[in-house]
Amino acid sequence: ETGVTQSPTHLIKTRGQQVTLRCSSQSGHNTVSWYQQALGQGPQFIFQYYREEENGRGNFPPRFSGLQFPNYSSELNVNALELDDSALYLCASSLGGDDEAFFGQGTRLTVV
Amino acid sequence: RKEVEQDPGPFNVPEGATVAFNCTYSNSASQSFFWYRQDCRKEPKLLMSVYSSGNEDGRFTAQLNRASQYISLLIRDSKLSDSATYLCVVDDSWGKLQFGAGTQVVVTP
Repeated sequence: ETGVTQSPTHLIKTRGQQVTLRCSSQSGHNTVSWYQQALGQGPQFIFQYYREEENGRGNFPPRFSGLQFPNYSSELNVNALELDDSALYLCASSLGGDDEAFFGQGTRLTVV
Repeated sequence: RKEVEQDPGPFNVPEGATVAFNCTYSNSASQSFFWYRQDCRKEPKLLMSVYSSGNEDGRFTAQLNRASQYISLLIRDSKLSDSATYLCVVDDSWGKLQFGAGTQVVVTP
């Protein structure tokens, strides 16, 4: 157990809908990063939050947005869902810098 | 071109044998390098960090070649439990990890 929990574990949504995924970071960790892992691919960096501020973003469109709360938990929001958004969404928490990142078990999103 | 490239495999390895595979990365400014292990439909877990001097953790040896921009992983005395996908990971900056697509290893009895 990494101490990083994600909810829900599985989700089915319809194209065009919106979704919110949640991540509780490991106690004391102030940095949360989100990744998208499509089938057969490695995780792709979406964005990172450090102390409630966005601290870097990967090559994802603006309909992917996020939030980090004062307790360092985080949300990933995706608007106008597309079929290609179907993937495993992973969050990872750390103390920042090159500190080890601990991953949650992921949320498996299916868009139909 | 992908930032981190790996041979997807699968590498079919008899139990007890040695297997080795590499990955290449494109960002010469990258500072930190890792191997993660991912079991089917599970989250990635850190296997080991990779240093220029090379490092060993039990049956696992990792090596970094900065001049050629490649990272290697060698597994000795393979166990059935080593069957997994091994992800090569480069830290672009401050924990923003770039993953390869993974190398699948299948250890057979």
